[in-house]
Amino acid sequence: DAGVTQSPTHLIKTRGQQVTLRCSPKSGHDTVSWYQQALGQGPQFIFQYYEEEERQRGNFPDRFSGHQFPNYSSELNVNALLLGDSALYLCASSLEIQSASGNTIYFGEGSWLTVV
Amino acid sequence: QKEVEQNSGPLSVPEGAIASLNCTYSDRGSQSFFWYRQYSGKSPELIMSIYSNGDKEDGRFTAQLNKASQYVSLLIRDSQPSDSATYLCAAFMDTGRRALTFGSGTRLQVQP
Repeated sequence: DAGVTQSPTHLIKTRGQQVTLRCSPKSGHDTVSWYQQALGQGPQFIFQYYEEEERQRGNFPDRFSGHQFPNYSSELNVNALLLGDSALYLCASSLEIQSASGNTIYFGEGSWLTVV
Repeated sequence: QKEVEQNSGPLSVPEGAIASLNCTYSDRGSQSFFWYRQYSGKSPELIMSIYSNGDKEDGRFTAQLNKASQYVSLLIRDSQPSDSATYLCAAFMDTGRRALTFGSGTRLQVQP
C-alpha cells in the first residue's frame, strides 16, 4: 500500500519562473492538503482539495494555486516565484469521512524548492 | 500572537534523562493535538495524538493536555541520541478549517 508520494523531490528555479509540484495521496484517501515549511519554521497550511475543489485556504497569495484530479491526485502551482518561496512543500492526504479527528493525516516526503 | 507557540530551543538533555517539550495554543476551538517528530531534511512523522484532558502514554512518550490552560506537553522518558530532532506541536479544529496549525518546533538534542 503506497503512502503519499510527491514529485519532484528537489528542484531549483529562478525568480519569476513558475513551478508545479505533484502529489498522489495514500490509497483510498480523497482529501489532499498542501503545506509550506520554510527553514526553521513549522509547516503552514496553503490549501485543501476535496472533490476536485479548493475547500479551504490559508493565508497565501493567489500566486499559489492548485488542482485535484478525478483520481484524487493533486498539483500545487506557484507563479512568479520569489526568493521567499524557497521551502519544503508537503502534501498531506486524509479521508474526508474520517477527518473529524485529524488523526488520519499522512504526510509525503516533500518537495524541496530552491528559488535563486 | 501565534496560534501555536513553542520554545525553539535547543533543549539539551543527557542520554537517559526525561525531555519535556511544551506548547501553548490560542484558539479554544482546537479539539485535537498532535506531536510530530522531524529529522533534518525529512518530513514530519506523527508520534502522539491527544484529544482529552489528562495524560496519554505510548511507550517512552507521554502527551499531556490541559484545555483550560491551553497547554500541551510531550515527555520523552529515557531519552536516546536517536530522539534528537525537531518536535512540532500541532492543533486541529474539527469544524471550519480542517487543517493542522503547527508551532515552529522545538529542537531537542540528546547528549550521549
